[in-house]
Order: sequence, then structure tokens, then C-alpha cells
Amino acid sequence: GQNIDQPTEMTATEGAIVQINCTYQTSGFNGLFWYQQHAGEAPTFLSYNVLDGLEEKGRFSSFLSRSKGYSYLLLKELQMKDSASYLCAVTDSNYQLIWGAGTKLIIKP
Amino acid sequence: DVKVTQSSRYLVKRTGEKVFLECVQDMDHENMFWYRQDPGLGLRLIYFSYDVKMKEKGDIPEGYSVSREKKERFSLILESASTNQTSMYLCASSLAGQGGTGNTIYFGEGSWLTVV
Repeated sequence: GQNIDQPTEMTATEGAIVQINCTYQTSGFNGLFWYQQHAGEAPTFLSYNVLDGLEEKGRFSSFLSRSKGYSYLLLKELQMKDSASYLCAVTDSNYQLIWGAGTKLIIKP
Repeated sequence: DVKVTQSSRYLVKRTGEKVFLECVQDMDHENMFWYRQDPGLGLRLIYFSYDVKMKEKGDIPEGYSVSREKKERFSLILESASTNQTSMYLCASSLAGQGGTGNTIYFGEGSWLTVV
């Protein structure tokens, strides 16, 4: 079967750095997305990786290793507004999106 | 900016009622999707559509149907609502595929449905 694993919940301190991991086992691979979802709101796009390596976008970076079936989202200089759930999703060989259950990130002052 | 609008934010319906959830997107996207989201289960695809009058079952289509009579509008129908359909429903759209070519999926704000 197809599977995406992310930690259920993480806690970090304002101003710090946090890394949210995502491992996947899918039928083929055509890209990986990270979305942010604040409580009670819709998910919003953060990043897309299709090649190995690091993609940096301001305070957020996303890394992909296709050989390891692994990605992480790195958040720097954490702010209280970063408290949200972070969803990892992989596009398989049929271009179907497989979603992880999401990681709830709690930021403490 | 892409806008995906869901007609109802919060609904309370009785068991057995017919429920319509409407979704409209304004970016001329070919593809539209309905998901439900439950705690600990992530996003689960109910139905999707790649074109007008076209529909494909997702992972959990049982108890649901959809309608896409116009490109910009995709409706989710619960023929006879049941309590296990209490959930948050998210409509989404994308330019092509489900993102396989890097085309982002854009979500509506969600509809919270409670069936009592």
C-alpha cells in the first residue's frame, strides 16, 4: 500500500529552528508538496520538491531525498504564527496525491 | 489570486437529509476535488473531476455523489446524511493533474458539517 508518515505533534520555542520529517512509500514518485494549515482553515501551499536537494524560501526550506523516500520541512526563526499543522503529500506514478495525516506544530514563547 | 469558494462554512443537518455542498473556483482550472478531513486521518479524497460532466471516484466515494455541470462549479451531494459523515469538507482545484507537474492545488476554506 501507499503510505506517508509524519510525526503527529511537535513542540518548539519561538525564535528556534524546527525540522518536520516526512517519509513515504508510494507507487512511483512525481513530486512532494508541503502545505500549512492553521486550525479551522484551509491548507495553503508552502513548497514543492521533485528533485533531490534543498529548496529555500525565506524562513522555510524543504529537502528531498528520493532514494531514501524522505523529506523534511525546516522552519527557522520560529514565530507564534507558525503554530499550525504541516501536511506532506506525494504525487505517485498515476499523478494521484497521497496525503500524510499532518504534523501539529506548537510554538511556545 | 486563485479563489475557491465554498458556499457554506457551517451546517447542521439531520440524519437522512439530503445535503448539498457547493464549490466555485475563479481561475478556470480544469480539475476540481472534494476531500474530507478528520482528526488523525489526514485528507481523504472523495471524488474528483478533470472536466465538465466528468467525475472519478476517489478513495472514499461511498455515500457521496458529485455534479460538475459547469467548469467553475463542483458540487458534493450526500443523498442521505449519516452521523459518520460529520466532518470538515474541503473543495480544491488545480490547473492540471493533482499536482504531478507541480501545479499547486488550491483549497477552499472548508465546510464543517455536523449530522445529528
